[in-house]
Amino acid sequence: GAGVSQTPSNKVTEKGKYVELRCDPISGHTALYWYRQSLGQGPEFLIYFQGTGAADDSGLPNDRFFAVRPEGSVSTLKIQRTERGDSAVYLCASSLSGRGGYEQYFGPGTRLTVT
Amino acid sequence: GQNIDQPTEMTATEGAIVQINCTYQTSGFNGLFWYQQHAGEAPTFLSYNVLDGLEEKGRFSSFLSRSKGYSYLLLKELQMKDSASYLCAVRGTDTGGFKTIFGAGTRLFVKA
Repeated sequence: GAGVSQTPSNKVTEKGKYVELRCDPISGHTALYWYRQSLGQGPEFLIYFQGTGAADDSGLPNDRFFAVRPEGSVSTLKIQRTERGDSAVYLCASSLSGRGGYEQYFGPGTRLTVT
Repeated sequence: GQNIDQPTEMTATEGAIVQINCTYQTSGFNGLFWYQQHAGEAPTFLSYNVLDGLEEKGRFSSFLSRSKGYSYLLLKELQMKDSASYLCAVRGTDTGGFKTIFGAGTRLFVKA
């Protein structure tokens, strides 16, 4: 079956611009996570959705970052006034549940470069 | 706060056994995961431990000691394709118990 997909695969933007990153989770997965990963580091938690609601947004670095999942499926991560420090690979993962040992299935990521 | 420590790099020989250690400090404990990540690719799930002891899955085993805040991943009969980063990840109980914190990963190099 189809896995987690993310678009675009690469995004280059200028400092100060607004970007949107999209995640299509596996059908039926109620749990959705956003992470970002810098070179040589593990994924850094940003936000977790259970259904349509953001159950934990404690990882969002500041108010320039916002994410939505209006119908409990597709999610969009929005970054305003991008900064060079936002450059990273943004990973989305989905899971049957956020509880227990359900594995997270990761998408291929969006590589964001802010120039 | 939460903190995860694992060695930065390890090298092992094809056919051998390697153990990758992970120590953690978390606010509560709600499970520990190991993921494999090949260069330029997304992480893929290897194992999950929530109770003390050893979980075995083919060539891979994972051990957990909650009292020591310690886990290890054991890889047997190493193959060249096992060269990858291995990520230890822990879920605590703060902020609802959903947040998964990843370590920086251990880069494993398997040589012939």
